[in-house]
Amino acid sequence: EPEVTQTPSHQVTQMGQEVILRCVPISNHLYFYWYRQILGQKVEFLVSFYNNEISEKSEIFDDQFSVERPDGSNFTLKIRSTKLEDSAMYFCASRGELAGNEQFFGPGTRLTVL
Amino acid sequence: EDKVVQSPLSLVVHEGDTVTLNCSYEVTNFRSLLWYKQEKKAPTFLFMLTSSGIEKKSGRLSSILDKKELFSILNITATQTGDSAVYLCAVLLYGQNFVFGPGTRLSVLP
Repeated sequence: EPEVTQTPSHQVTQMGQEVILRCVPISNHLYFYWYRQILGQKVEFLVSFYNNEISEKSEIFDDQFSVERPDGSNFTLKIRSTKLEDSAMYFCASRGELAGNEQFFGPGTRLTVL
Repeated sequence: EDKVVQSPLSLVVHEGDTVTLNCSYEVTNFRSLLWYKQEKKAPTFLFMLTSSGIEKKSGRLSSILDKKELFSILNITATQTGDSAVYLCAVLLYGQNFVFGPGTRLSVLP
């Protein structure tokens, strides 16, 4: 069964460093998303991506964040200068138009900023 | 501001009980409502509801949407300890934005 994969599963970084979180969405999916979930809190939408551009972004997704689909299979989230409050679980998700609006999540990357 | 509210936030039941989880929403440009189960890590998809009044069923789980009253319910019958999880309600908006509710934490005791 196709699935969304994410790497790494856990990333530890120093405050101020850049991190890149990687995702491989399901291959025939067209819409890609990043979410974050701070420990014990609700899932928060960050950004959606369709047709090689951002279609929606939340207030959380400021200039420190960027997304890219560099090679047609990977979908990356970059945080330029990490802050302590960026520590969270980051989920990638994808969905396909033809399959309806079902959205499938990856296993997540736990980001810890020290 | 788009908002999704879930109730109760926490629920403790015994195996065999039936539970009803509630989700209400106030959003612009509603497209669909989705239910997810989150155990230890990533949410797993349960149901997607787009039309009012049509019940979706999967085993002991069922869900229905009321677009006039802006809510959905998720029913779980004959609960088992494996049903213990956080159940998330999310609304998909036109424009590809998802808005999640805070979740209902269900604990099923043996």
